[in-house]
Amino acid sequence: QKEVEQDPGPLSVPEGAIVSLNCTYSNSAFQYFMWYRQYSRKGPELLMYTYSSGNKEDGRFTAQVDKSSKYISLFIRDSQPSDSATYLCAPVKAAGNKLTFGGGTRVLVKP
Amino acid sequence: GAGVSQTPSNKVTEKGKYVELRCDPISGHTALYWYRQSLGQGPEFLIYFQGTGAADDSGLPNDRFFAVRPEGSVSTLKIQRTERGDSAVYLCASSGADKPETQYFGPGTRLLVL
Repeated sequence: QKEVEQDPGPLSVPEGAIVSLNCTYSNSAFQYFMWYRQYSRKGPELLMYTYSSGNKEDGRFTAQVDKSSKYISLFIRDSQPSDSATYLCAPVKAAGNKLTFGGGTRVLVKP
Repeated sequence: GAGVSQTPSNKVTEKGKYVELRCDPISGHTALYWYRQSLGQGPEFLIYFQGTGAADDSGLPNDRFFAVRPEGSVSTLKIQRTERGDSAVYLCASSGADKPETQYFGPGTRLLVL
């Protein structure tokens, strides 16, 4: 079993809808929880990250971590066609350490 | 400033050949990471450098893979006796001492082994 699991999708939503993405992980040593966005044929780019359990908001994006259930979520409000991409969760044990990526969820926002 | 750059952007080689992939990190970044991404999968860690030394090489799949960073800046990933299973996108990332949790990725090198 992989350390980090994500539903591969694709997840198709109409423009303006809320996109809900989830990850589960098995290693309780993970302390930072990163979300990356990857467009086709591009490198991943960091969207946001959280350190503790709870919610963190950044514009249209909200990241949520529940360490007790080892569950990570990312919500995208007012989704736009430009949000169509693959979203990767990547927990890490300590700042500067290697990222352990999930398989990614492909999202398609239809105009 | 410039981001992480990788060369070549694409590389086609034949089974058994030797290849070198280059990464230029963001200027001043002390940490440099190599990942490999197969089609439809998330990136998988290979190796990371802190300065000139490999701090963690636990992800290198076998002894055909080797990476160097002799002056603490540019890094080269070297693959000997390439196999078809080595075909993937090789991603490089770097991070700075001020924000070590933030890794900035390059566009990757697409390696195809025929």
